[in-house]
Amino acid sequence: GENVEQHPSTLSVQEGDSAVIKCTYSDSASNYFPWYKQELGKGPQLIIDIRSNVGEKKDQRIAVTLNKTAKHFSLHITETQPEDSAVYFCAAVTGNQFYFGTGTSLTVIP
Amino acid sequence: DTGVSQDPRHKITKRGQNVTFRCDPISEHNRLYWYRQTLGQGPEFLTYFQNEAQLEKSRLLSDRFSAERPKGSFSTLEIQRTEQGDSAMYLCASSLGGSGNNEQFFGPGTRLTVL
Repeated sequence: GENVEQHPSTLSVQEGDSAVIKCTYSDSASNYFPWYKQELGKGPQLIIDIRSNVGEKKDQRIAVTLNKTAKHFSLHITETQPEDSAVYFCAAVTGNQFYFGTGTSLTVIP
Repeated sequence: DTGVSQDPRHKITKRGQNVTFRCDPISEHNRLYWYRQTLGQGPEFLTYFQNEAQLEKSRLLSDRFSAERPKGSFSTLEIQRTEQGDSAMYLCASSLGGSGNNEQFFGPGTRLTVL
């Protein structure tokens, strides 16, 4: 089955700096790659996603890039704010199956 | 608020007891998923429904676990004879389904503690 690895597990940045989280996957059949933000005590919330026919997607301060050849995708958050502090999960989707990474705990220091 | 609701939000039970959780998906979504999440891990797939049909079950879903979606709307997840290892957050998600519509929207989860 699919194996998703996510790095780093923790990340601290100064407010205003950029944050980058990287994921790799193993199954070349995966064709959808969502990113979720999870705050304490809440369920994951979809923040951005990308499909396999696209290399990059941007939504305001958040962008995702996908390299299908290398089987890796990344989340980029620019101009970070304290409210960006949360745990972020990547996922690789094959058919209807979602395979999640182990999460990155992001702390934005004011 | 994604529109997916779960009840209860928290459940504390003694080992050996049975528990049941409910999920109400977004009303027009025909796919419903159950996941388990333990501390420091991402959600792990348990099972999924297309309307009322349970189409896939993970090997994580032992015979103590059963899920239903009788009318293709809300779903229940029951755990019988709970064990301490069942302590986790149980998440429900729904999606519209169909080609290109596999975005999943998660509920807030039910946190289970087995004493």
